[in-house]
Amino acid sequence: ETGVTQTPRHLVMGMTNKKSLKCEQHLGHNAMYWYKQSAKKPLELMFVYSLEERVENNSVPSRFSPECPNSSHLFLHLHTLQPEDSALYLCASSQRWGPYYEQYFGPGTRLTVT
Amino acid sequence: GQQVMQIPQYQHVQEGEDFTTYCNSSTTLSNIQWYKQRPGGHPVFLIQLVKSGEVKKQKRLTFQFGEAKKNSSLHITATQTTDVGTYFCAAQYGNKLVFGAGTILRVKS
Repeated sequence: ETGVTQTPRHLVMGMTNKKSLKCEQHLGHNAMYWYKQSAKKPLELMFVYSLEERVENNSVPSRFSPECPNSSHLFLHLHTLQPEDSALYLCASSQRWGPYYEQYFGPGTRLTVT
Repeated sequence: GQQVMQIPQYQHVQEGEDFTTYCNSSTTLSNIQWYKQRPGGHPVFLIQLVKSGEVKKQKRLTFQFGEAKKNSSLHITATQTTDVGTYFCAAQYGNKLVFGAGTILRVKS
């Protein structure tokens, strides 16, 4: 619907596991974002990539590792997560990085860390 | 850090009643965006306001940007059950879009 897809939609992982979230946008956009949405908290920006270059790292712990191999794909590699990392992880894209560009969100990955 | 304050946190209205959510910033904003997230869904862009005092309408939704560009509001006239969800404002600080905490709207039919 929005042109941004995310897989998997749901993920349950133990604290010692390694997993990856995938995002793909079919809109021809140049900027991609990872957000974390926890219950009763505002959307938290994690990372921003513009033209495949990371331009924002919002003090995110190193157990989250982003990767942007091209302008259409974005990954979030997860390892040794904590239970408090359980949340909805949303990917978004925009035509460019900067003011005035609306963001298009994917459906999200619901992550549960056990 | 920069933040936008959004109120109320939660509102439960009878179908047909009006609804308003407010967004406030301590600093002057270049623009403000509004998004809606249905229960179980993801945020969807509604509109962007750029000019001081700007008012935009989308059917029953009216968006306003304050004269000082420090606050904004979203007003829904005669709410319907399809309006349920969380409404977020988002303000641009530099190149970063900062979201408010959102207002959860529930509509009783």
